[in-house]
Amino acid sequence: RKEVEQDPGPFNVPEGATVAFNCTYSNSASQSFFWYRQDCRKEPKLLMSVYSSGNEDGRFTAQLNRASQYISLLIRDSKLSDSATYLCVVDNGSGNTPLVFGKGTRLSVIA
Amino acid sequence: DAGVIQSPRHEVTEMGQEVTLRCKPISGHNSLFWYRQTMMRGLELLIYFNNNVPIDDSGMPEDRFSAKMPNASFSTLKIQPSEPRDSAVYFCATSAATDTQYFGPGTRLTVL
Repeated sequence: RKEVEQDPGPFNVPEGATVAFNCTYSNSASQSFFWYRQDCRKEPKLLMSVYSSGNEDGRFTAQLNRASQYISLLIRDSKLSDSATYLCVVDNGSGNTPLVFGKGTRLSVIA
Repeated sequence: DAGVIQSPRHEVTEMGQEVTLRCKPISGHNSLFWYRQTMMRGLELLIYFNNNVPIDDSGMPEDRFSAKMPNASFSTLKIQPSEPRDSAVYFCATSAATDTQYFGPGTRLTVL
């Protein structure tokens, strides 16, 4: 079983749509969770951390379900500039800092 | 503020040649990570350092790969000899006390 699994997509959505990405992780000891964004031919950049209580940053909402080992990202009112690959990221559960990255979900927002 | 700096940004070389990738971390960051990204395998951790000391190199594919961090402001990843299957984008990332990692722009390596 892969450590972090994501639907690779692509998700093709019209501007203004709401889109949700899901991710599952295998290590129940993981404590830190993130969503990173990666534009084509660029480096990954932190989009937001994911907290147990759920958190929101503008049009983006992240949620964590520890019991199901499931993380989600919701994007409301999607913009053309949201087109990118979204990487689900968890720590390796050992207390060290290495992170485990999913392969990403590709989003294309279409005018 | 300067982010993570990597050089070269692009490298094209022939099979069998030595390749050296360089990384300058963000000042004050004490953890440094080398990743490799391909379409097939995604982003893979190769090795990481804490306070210049290699902690886990289990992701290094084979003995052809080596990494050093002689001081807090510089690290290298070396491939000798290089092979076509090493073609990928190599990222360096650094972090401070938190888990948040900041990535450099990457080195796009092509081995012919």
